Amino acid sequence: DAMVIQNPRYQVTQFGKPVTLSCSQTLNHNVMYWYQQKSSQAPKLLFHYYDKDFNNEADTPDNFQSRRPNTSFCFLDIRSPGLGDAAMYLCATSRVTGVRNTEAFFGQGTRLTVV
Amino acid sequence: QKEVEQDPGPLSVPEGAIVSLNCTYSNSAFQYFMWYRQYSRKGPELLMYTYSSGNKEDGRFTAQVDKSSKYISLFIRDSQPSDSATYLCAMRYGGTSYGKLTFGQGTILTVHP
Repeated sequence: DAMVIQNPRYQVTQFGKPVTLSCSQTLNHNVMYWYQQKSSQAPKLLFHYYDKDFNNEADTPDNFQSRRPNTSFCFLDIRSPGLGDAAMYLCATSRVTGVRNTEAFFGQGTRLTVV
Repeated sequence: QKEVEQDPGPLSVPEGAIVSLNCTYSNSAFQYFMWYRQYSRKGPELLMYTYSSGNKEDGRFTAQVDKSSKYISLFIRDSQPSDSATYLCAMRYGGTSYGKLTFGQGTILTVHP
């Protein structure tokens, strides 16, 4: 029944070593989002895909990239993780049709540790 | 000033109590309001999704929106230990917005038996 699936749930990476987090969805939603949530903080939007159109938030560091090869999958690439990038990374999806937008559904998150 | 303000708590109540969680916001462009529940080390789970000012009830949960005061609330009746979690308010613009959510900081709730 899982609708937004994130892998892995826990990821440990070395300082400066590229890492990729993945997200898949079975909802056929056209919008996919990546949020970063640091300990005891609110989730913060990094970027989103509206179909194939990539939209970056103005304050998202260049170190973060994303790919969406098809409707179902979206990847978050961190090119050179720093200690400050340790966080929970949340993938979410929603369906936008004209001016209508469904609520956002979140995956279980990937907790990234940088050592 | 943050766009969305939420008292982080922590809030500790006995089982069976009525819990009131609140958020205020500053941007009147927010049109859609949500409450998410987040258990430790898990993703946020949608509890309530509202648009209009007024009340919306779902089981033990009631969401209240007052757009004139820029204030939203979530009430939990007959609280249970399983309600212990962080509660996040979230909101987004209306119209042709793609749906970016702006979250409050989250309130940590503990319901003790």
